[in-house]
Amino acid sequence: ILNVEQSPQSLHVQEGDSTNFTCSFPSSNFYALHWYRWETAKSPEALFVMTLNGDEKKKGRISATLNTKEGYSYLYIKGSQPEDSATYLCACHSGNTGKLIFGQGTTLQVKP
Amino acid sequence: ETGVTQSPTHLIKTRGQQVTLRCSSQSGHNTVSWYQQALGQGPQFIFQYYREEENGRGNFPPRFSGLQFPNYSSELNVNALELDDSALYLCASSAGGPYSYNEQFFGPGTRLTVL
Repeated sequence: ILNVEQSPQSLHVQEGDSTNFTCSFPSSNFYALHWYRWETAKSPEALFVMTLNGDEKKKGRISATLNTKEGYSYLYIKGSQPEDSATYLCACHSGNTGKLIFGQGTTLQVKP
Repeated sequence: ETGVTQSPTHLIKTRGQQVTLRCSSQSGHNTVSWYQQALGQGPQFIFQYYREEENGRGNFPPRFSGLQFPNYSSELNVNALELDDSALYLCASSAGGPYSYNEQFFGPGTRLTVL
């Protein structure tokens, strides 16, 4: 059974702080990993799809890395802004299928 | 380009009733997945539809069923509602078929409350 874990569960930072959180998954049978940002009352928004060990992806102040050998991905936010406040979800494919297994999410609050 | 839409936004039902939730996929997307998100948890995969057929199912009982239509819109039906079915139901559409790793585009969800 594929189990995806995220830590921490929640995070409170000040505006301007940089932060990072972790997504852990079984390193065997890895296919692809997705990061989503989910703001309150909106739809989850895709940030990155990562497939290769050592992948690094960046979108503005947000970046992500992937280590499939040890089974983790980090999401970094540089210089957090209040508009970054959201729940960040990671999800892995269950086998070679489109079925996504989600972690429970990390909720980020950025205080002005 | 229209995004993924879901209806209704909120719904209140009583135990034992049946409910139908609807999803309109993003234009050009041929695959739709449904997820249930209970409070404090990540979304849980219910099932996926491709070319109007179910293609993969999560750990949900048969009273959860679905349909996909030729225009790629989709329905989630839940019979004999139970209190534990209270949750946010999300649909997500994607292109490239059921075995692709393409990003899935989510709708805003339907909040179902079962009393």
